[in-house]
Amino acid sequence: AQSVTQLDSQVPVFEEAPVELRCNYSSSVSVYLFWYVQYPNQGLQLLLKYLSGSTLVKGINGFEAEFNKSQTSFHLRKPSVHISDTAEYFCAVIPWAAGNKLTFGGGTRVLVKP
Amino acid sequence: NAGVMQNPRHLVRRRGQEARLRCSPMKGHSHVYWYRQLPEEGLKFMVYLQKENIIDESGMPKERFSAEFPKEGPSILRIQQVVRGDSAAYFCASSPSEAGGDGYTFGSGTRLTVV
Repeated sequence: AQSVTQLDSQVPVFEEAPVELRCNYSSSVSVYLFWYVQYPNQGLQLLLKYLSGSTLVKGINGFEAEFNKSQTSFHLRKPSVHISDTAEYFCAVIPWAAGNKLTFGGGTRVLVKP
Repeated sequence: NAGVMQNPRHLVRRRGQEARLRCSPMKGHSHVYWYRQLPEEGLKFMVYLQKENIIDESGMPKERFSAEFPKEGPSILRIQQVVRGDSAAYFCASSPSEAGGDGYTFGSGTRLTVV
């Protein structure tokens, strides 16, 4: 079984400041990793994913994440946030083996202040 | 190319009634997943279906909940005799294969309110 821990439930940040959202996972098998964003009253949108190769992955809207296998982490960063980045962010993992399902962390709510 | 379509967007039911939530996956996607998001919580897996088959229902409550994905038509999540604790957002997602690296495409959800 897999588990995902997002260490911060809420992150307030000022506009144009950097933000980092932390994600740690636990799994006995190799996994793919994802970050999704959920804007108020909407569904989830894929920000980025790590499958293999370079540990630094870039996604949409200026976000990037770094996979660290030894620390089983996949932290999400953005160097300068906008008001429109106010949303909830979910980290998720899925085993490489077929037929499994995505397991989500509890989410981190980002509130960007002017 | 429409995404994952869920309807209705909002559903209000009285305690004891039935709720039926529909999900049409993206074109070309034959794998459907249902998740529930309770207020102030993350997404919890409920069930994974392929056409006419339930692959994994380990997250489904044992009673009152059922899901199907018929050969023709949308996937249906059915909740019988709803209770206040069923109030939540229910999200459907689809993927083109069972390989995890494809990720899922999510619908906008159905927000169920039980009064």
